[in-house]
Amino acid sequence: TQLLEQSPQFLSIQEGENLTVYCNSSSVFSSLQWYRQEPGEGPVLLVTVVTGGEVKKLKRLTFQFGDARKDSSLHITAAQPGDTGLYLCAGTRNTGTASKLFGTGTRLQVTL
Amino acid sequence: GAGVSQSPRYKVAKRGQDVALRCDPISGHVSLFWYQQALGQGPEFLTYFQNEAQLDKSGLPSDRFFAERPEGSVSTLKIQRTQQEDSAVYLCASSLGSRPGQGLGDYGYTFGSGTRLTVV
Repeated sequence: TQLLEQSPQFLSIQEGENLTVYCNSSSVFSSLQWYRQEPGEGPVLLVTVVTGGEVKKLKRLTFQFGDARKDSSLHITAAQPGDTGLYLCAGTRNTGTASKLFGTGTRLQVTL
Repeated sequence: GAGVSQSPRYKVAKRGQDVALRCDPISGHVSLFWYQQALGQGPEFLTYFQNEAQLDKSGLPSDRFFAERPEGSVSTLKIQRTQQEDSAVYLCASSLGSRPGQGLGDYGYTFGSGTRLTVV
C-alpha cells in the first residue's frame, strides 16, 4: 500500500510552462527525497530535504519540505523537453527502518 | 564500479521456472536494497542488506522470494516457481549509509537500470 500520494498523476505541458508536483502523506518523515526516472532506467536522485520548511533549489527546480514533514512539493520553472520523466518522491520514516517509501509517481511530458 | 550494475536487463520466464537476478553495487557501499516496480508505479521495498547481513526482508511478497549477499558485495534475488504476478521491474540500489538516526545522515540511493522480468 502506497502511503505517499503524488499529484497530478500525469502532466503534459509545453516547453516554457511552469508546473508544481505534490507529494502528500499522513505520516511524518525524517527526510524526503525526489528522484527522476526515465524509461528503461533506474530512478536518479535529485535532492534530499531533511528540515521542516526547508527549500532547496537545483537550477530551475525548487523543492520544499512541509513544516510538519508530511508533504513536499517540486516546482519546475520554464520546463524543457529534457525534464520529461517520472518524478518520484521517497520518504524515510522515523521507525528506524532503512527502507524508503516511494510515492505513486508523476509522469511529466514536456513538448516543444 | 562506477555505478550499480544489474543483470540480466531482461528476463522472460515460463510460469513455474526459477530465476536469479544479480546486482553488483558501487564498491564500498554498505547498504543494498531491492525494490519491485510495477508498470507506471513507484518502487516498492523488498529487502535490505547492511554488508552481508539481511536486516529487513519485510517486503518480500512470499516465501518464493529469497535474497542473499554472502560477501557483502554482489547480491542475488531469487524467485522460485515464478507466477505471472511476479512480472515487474526489479531494481537494486546501493547507498553509502546505514540506517538513519545513527549519525550517518540520510544517503540517497544509486539505482541500477533494473531487470525487467516477464513471466509467461
